[in-house]
Amino acid sequence: ETGVTQSPTHLIKTRGQQVTLRCSSQSGHNTVSWYQQALGQGPQFIFQYYREEENGRGNFPPRFSGLQFPNYSSELNVNALELDDSALYLCASSPGTSLNTGELFFGEGSRLTVL
Amino acid sequence: GENVEQHPSTLSVQEGDSAVIKCTYSDSASNYFPWYKQELGKRPQLIIDIRSNVGEKKDQRIAVTLNKTAKHFSLHITETQPEDSAVYFCAASRLIQGAQKLVFGQGTRLTINP
Repeated sequence: ETGVTQSPTHLIKTRGQQVTLRCSSQSGHNTVSWYQQALGQGPQFIFQYYREEENGRGNFPPRFSGLQFPNYSSELNVNALELDDSALYLCASSPGTSLNTGELFFGEGSRLTVL
Repeated sequence: GENVEQHPSTLSVQEGDSAVIKCTYSDSASNYFPWYKQELGKRPQLIIDIRSNVGEKKDQRIAVTLNKTAKHFSLHITETQPEDSAVYFCAASRLIQGAQKLVFGQGTRLTINP
């Protein structure tokens, strides 16, 4: 059983650029959530995807968007990057609703620095 | 909106002593309360969780208590060891079929002094 994997692990962008972060969910999991963790803070919920549909969103502007693919992997896209977007972006997966115990399985994250 | 407050932000205890971290939540509909441990540069990992129909849960040296009326829940670690040093996050959510949004606290940096 493979865990949640994310890429890239680190990246540096400049203000105004766009970034795409990728996540492969744990085997057997069809739900993926994305969280933003600023330095020294707790993770903040961005959105969740279930069977390729967004089914929950936090207080993030529309320039944060995502996709989930038929194999349940996911992408997080951020347009018009701002300095405050610098953070660790965590992807988490969980099994289908009937098997959902509540536990989220996190990846190691993608650390984004915006200069 | 939903909010989770966590205290203290830092905690230092002697090895072998107990550590207690406390959280309060605002959304009375929350029914699931996990605790995550995050070591430096690593992913958050679930260490224990509790649902709203239970008041207390224990797993070896770790226990969690929940007071729904006061909207408080706490993490208790007994007989602390150096490997318990990490940042701990509490969280709250409504666990509904198909959707879950975890609201995290700000974290507690726990240091175990040998």
